[in-house]
Amino acid sequence: GAGVSQSPRYKVAKRGQDVALRCDPISGHVSLFWYQQALGQGPEFLTYFQNEAQLDKSGLPSDRFFAERPEGSVSTLKIQRTQQEDSAVYLCASSSKGAGGPTDTQYFGPGTRLTVL
Amino acid sequence: GENVEQHPSTLSVQEGDSAVIKCTYSDSASNYFPWYKQELGKGPQLIIDIRSNVGEKKDQRIAVTLNKTAKHFSLHITETQPEDSAVYFCAASLIGQGGKLIFGQGTELSVKP
Repeated sequence: GAGVSQSPRYKVAKRGQDVALRCDPISGHVSLFWYQQALGQGPEFLTYFQNEAQLDKSGLPSDRFFAERPEGSVSTLKIQRTQQEDSAVYLCASSSKGAGGPTDTQYFGPGTRLTVL
Repeated sequence: GENVEQHPSTLSVQEGDSAVIKCTYSDSASNYFPWYKQELGKGPQLIIDIRSNVGEKKDQRIAVTLNKTAKHFSLHITETQPEDSAVYFCAASLIGQGGKLIFGQGTELSVKP
């Protein structure tokens, strides 16, 4: 596709359930980022991949959050035992360049809105 | 770590007027400053960016200025149109560190016809 896609667009989970959010980056993009955006706030960094390597996971709020990108393309953000405070929009972004190079534009997907009841 | 403050949180202008949004950052090492526009239900879209080796950049009705000494940068939109109505975010990053963006809190711009 032409842009970053994310699925599902909306997810409702009961507290304690596990969820998996998918990101399809722009084809050939080296870098992939996950951000969390609470209502009325700016996006907050969660984690960063360069190809299949997770180079920075400093923004993950707890060990209930786990992300992977096993083949260097599609990425999945998994949240275990969801809590109400996990309710937010989860944004994925990709860029064509990797760490150490000039920062390139990050292209964002539409996000997944997660609501935990 | 880096912290970005953005003002104002809301801004209402008449069509044709100019709009200015200001951001300050804390980490003097930051050297890349993009601005994103986010419409309801959509992801952020880059509208302009600036690197620390320049003080100003323009693209049609949009311009960004950077003052490294004061650690602040601003977005200027001239001849505003109703379709400019959206939430705007500034961000800061350190080139060479993976490109992690630190965002401001956002400014909701409303352009009244």
